[in-house]
Amino acid sequence: DAGVTQSPTHLIKTRGQQVTLRCSPISGHKSVSWYQQVLGQGPQFIFQYYEKEERGRGNFPDRFSARQFPNYSSELNVNALLLGDSALYLCASSRTGGNQPQHFGDGTRLSIL
Amino acid sequence: AQSVTQPDIHITVSEGASLELRCNYSYGATPYLFWYVQSPGQGLQLLLKYFSGDTLVQGIKGFEAEFKRSQSSFNLRKPSVHWSDAAEYFCAVGDNNAGNMLTFGGGTRLMVKP
Repeated sequence: DAGVTQSPTHLIKTRGQQVTLRCSPISGHKSVSWYQQVLGQGPQFIFQYYEKEERGRGNFPDRFSARQFPNYSSELNVNALLLGDSALYLCASSRTGGNQPQHFGDGTRLSIL
Repeated sequence: AQSVTQPDIHITVSEGASLELRCNYSYGATPYLFWYVQSPGQGLQLLLKYFSGDTLVQGIKGFEAEFKRSQSSFNLRKPSVHWSDAAEYFCAVGDNNAGNMLTFGGGTRLMVKP
């Protein structure tokens, strides 16, 4: 089975722009979580979606939003980009919304100029 | 709120030597604990997990970790390190009350000397 796939792998944007990142979970996984990893730090939780509903939200501003589609894929949207949004954005999937092991994709590297 | 501390930012060991990476957590109830490894430019790979039961957990690539409730620790060990183990290692705690939100430590970068 394919692992978690994320697109694009790299993205360059300028301040004030908007960006959409995409994630396809492992087949059979119904939960998708998003994490932000700033260079030199551990990942920070942004959102969790399970069965197309938001089940958890980290301490991020409203500029960050996400959704999950009927096929369990997910999009992360970030509006009004700031220089501080430059990071590796990781998507993780798990079978359920509980404390199941999460499997991570290789991430999208977002650079803001 | 839960938190994870990895006291060692960098560790260098010789190939073939033993390894122990430290992890301390803060969590109000019985924690779900994980160790992940990240190679440069890649995502995180799950090494092992602790949910309950035996406090010594075996993982992939010859790694093991021991849960010690009295010390709030979940240290990762490997008896003999290989050059391919050079990577960044993250300890994480899962929040039972927030779905499967993971809180990560800051990571330990492992370098392996030939």
